[in-house]
Amino acid sequence: EDKVVQSPLSLVVHEGDTVTLNCSYEVTNFRSLLWYKQEKKAPTFLFMLTSSGIEKKSGRLSSILDKKELFSILNITATQTGDSAIYLCAVHFGNEKLTFGTGTRLTIIP
Amino acid sequence: KAGVTQTPRYLIKTRGQQVTLSCSPISGHRSVSWYQQTPGQGLQFLFEYFSETQRNKGNFPGRFSGRQFSNSRSEMNVSTLELGDSALYLCASSPTGNAEAFFGQGTRLTVV
Repeated sequence: EDKVVQSPLSLVVHEGDTVTLNCSYEVTNFRSLLWYKQEKKAPTFLFMLTSSGIEKKSGRLSSILDKKELFSILNITATQTGDSAIYLCAVHFGNEKLTFGTGTRLTIIP
Repeated sequence: KAGVTQTPRYLIKTRGQQVTLSCSPISGHRSVSWYQQTPGQGLQFLFEYFSETQRNKGNFPGRFSGRQFSNSRSEMNVSTLELGDSALYLCASSPTGNAEAFFGQGTRLTVV
């Protein structure tokens, strides 16, 4: 069965710290990996990764995919309190449905 | 460009009743997916529609059903509600289904 595992489950850091969130997957037919940020209700799209080794970057956030080792990381540098959220990783496995991990709850302490 | 719109935002229903949730995708998006989110299970895939056809279905009982109209708007129906159906129901739209998906604000369903 297709599976997506995120770690850590929760993380508490101080403002200004850098964090790395992990997402690994077991695949039958990998198509793409997506990262979302969920603060209150709607998950908001961050990145979509399809190729190994190519970093996607947006401001202080960046992400990279390793298709050989079946994982992705999401980095956030110089964290701010507004980065506090649940970060979700999801994978397209050969069809049109997204399989989500359980998420990492990130808390930034001022 | 308007985002994904879900209605209603909140619902309280009694066990045994049925409910219909609505989702209007981003203009031009033809794929609509539905997810159930609970604290214990995370985001669970319900089903995905593309051009009025259900292409994928998750592991939910037959009480959960959906449809998509010619304008790509989608509805989800849950019959014979159970307490365990209390959850946030999220809809996501995508141009094709294999691209990035954009979520609506969700419908918070409480079954009492």
